[in-house]
Amino acid sequence: SAVISQKPSRDICQRGTSLTIQCQVDSQVTMMFWYRQQPGQSLTLIATANQGSEATYESGFVIDKFPISRPNLTFSTLTVSNMSPEDSSIYLCSVPQGSPRGTEAFFGQGTRLTVV
Amino acid sequence: KQEVTQIPAALSVPEGENLVLNCSFTDSAIYNLQWFRQDPGKGLTSLLLIQSSQREQTSGRLNASLDKSSGRSTLYIAASQPGDSATYLCAATNQGGKLIFGQGTELSVKP
Repeated sequence: SAVISQKPSRDICQRGTSLTIQCQVDSQVTMMFWYRQQPGQSLTLIATANQGSEATYESGFVIDKFPISRPNLTFSTLTVSNMSPEDSSIYLCSVPQGSPRGTEAFFGQGTRLTVV
Repeated sequence: KQEVTQIPAALSVPEGENLVLNCSFTDSAIYNLQWFRQDPGKGLTSLLLIQSSQREQTSGRLNASLDKSSGRSTLYIAASQPGDSATYLCAATNQGGKLIFGQGTELSVKP
């Protein structure tokens, strides 16, 4: 299975500032996904990070608020811009990868963000 | 638009009981269905993956079934243990690799 490392694992940030979350995968992958999990809620897809092109955002998420970079096939960043307390969530990156069971989604350990 | 629902939202059982978690989805055009475990404040651990052409998958004490025609999947946990306490999430994957998650079932297994 893919090994996915996210940094930072947690952070407490002041409102109005920005935080960049890094996601590193131990193998080359075509697609990387960024999800948000608000407190007490399930996961919602923010965007698909495509290598060599702009990210594709889901309804309700915009590039100005969540800019994404994908400089190569093993790395991506998600920035949460101009943060407000409503952005307090766990942010997770995910990659699909072949396994004996089929194409399986693997997740990083998440970044727990608290905005004060 | 795919919607995934899990029931119950929470479940508390004594140790040793067998239990079933339910997941339903509205669009049967799924690529696969995955069950995850999430411990508090942590990421997701993949438990079982069922391809759209499969009916069930087993791993240890876990068994997951899939009925695409009725839009349902179940996760069966045999002989539950306190270490099984966690939130269990099901997710339907579409052809583009995007996961649509249910709200999860919070399981508590009492010693």
